Amino acid sequence: EPEVTQTPSHQVTQMGQEVILRCVPISNHLYFYWYRQILGQKVEFLVSFYNNEISEKSEIFDDQFSVERPDGSNFTLKIRSTKLEDSAMYFCASSEWGAYNEQFFGPGTRLTVL
Amino acid sequence: SQQGEEDPQALSIQEGENATMNCSYKTSINNLQWYRQNSGRGLVHLILIRSNEREKHSGRLRVTLDTSKKSSSLLITASRAADTASYFCATAPEETSGSRLTFGEGTQLTVNP
Repeated sequence: EPEVTQTPSHQVTQMGQEVILRCVPISNHLYFYWYRQILGQKVEFLVSFYNNEISEKSEIFDDQFSVERPDGSNFTLKIRSTKLEDSAMYFCASSEWGAYNEQFFGPGTRLTVL
Repeated sequence: SQQGEEDPQALSIQEGENATMNCSYKTSINNLQWYRQNSGRGLVHLILIRSNEREKHSGRLRVTLDTSKKSSSLLITASRAADTASYFCATAPEETSGSRLTFGEGTQLTVNP
């Protein structure tokens, strides 16, 4: 069964460093998302991406964040200058037709900022 | 209270019993989705129910939706130890572009063997 994959599974970085989290969505899906979950808290929406542009973003998704679909399969989240509070589990998701259909999530990347 | 609140926060039952978790939300929705998350792992999609549906079944799962009360329930019948996980509801609002899901706080279900 097709699934969303994410790499790396765990990323440790120093505060102020740039990180890139990678995702491979399900191949026939058109909508891609990033969410995050700070330890012990609920899952929060960051950004959605459709037709090679951001379709919606949350207040969390400030200028430090960017997303890109560099080729036909990968979808990336870049954090330019990480802060301690960026430590969280980051989930990529994809869906066939936006939030009107099921969103399928990857296993997540645990980001630890020291 | 927040969009997508589940109760109870924690539920402990014996294997074979049924588990019922509830979710309330505040805004009009297009659909509501339930997810399971094992500790420290990813989110597994369980079921989606649309705003014009009242009940949906999938295997041992039964989901109901009451849009007049802005609430949903997830019933897991004949629970197993492997059902131990956190369960989240997530809503897709009607009035936005339809992109984002808003998650609740989750219910931690423990099924004792």
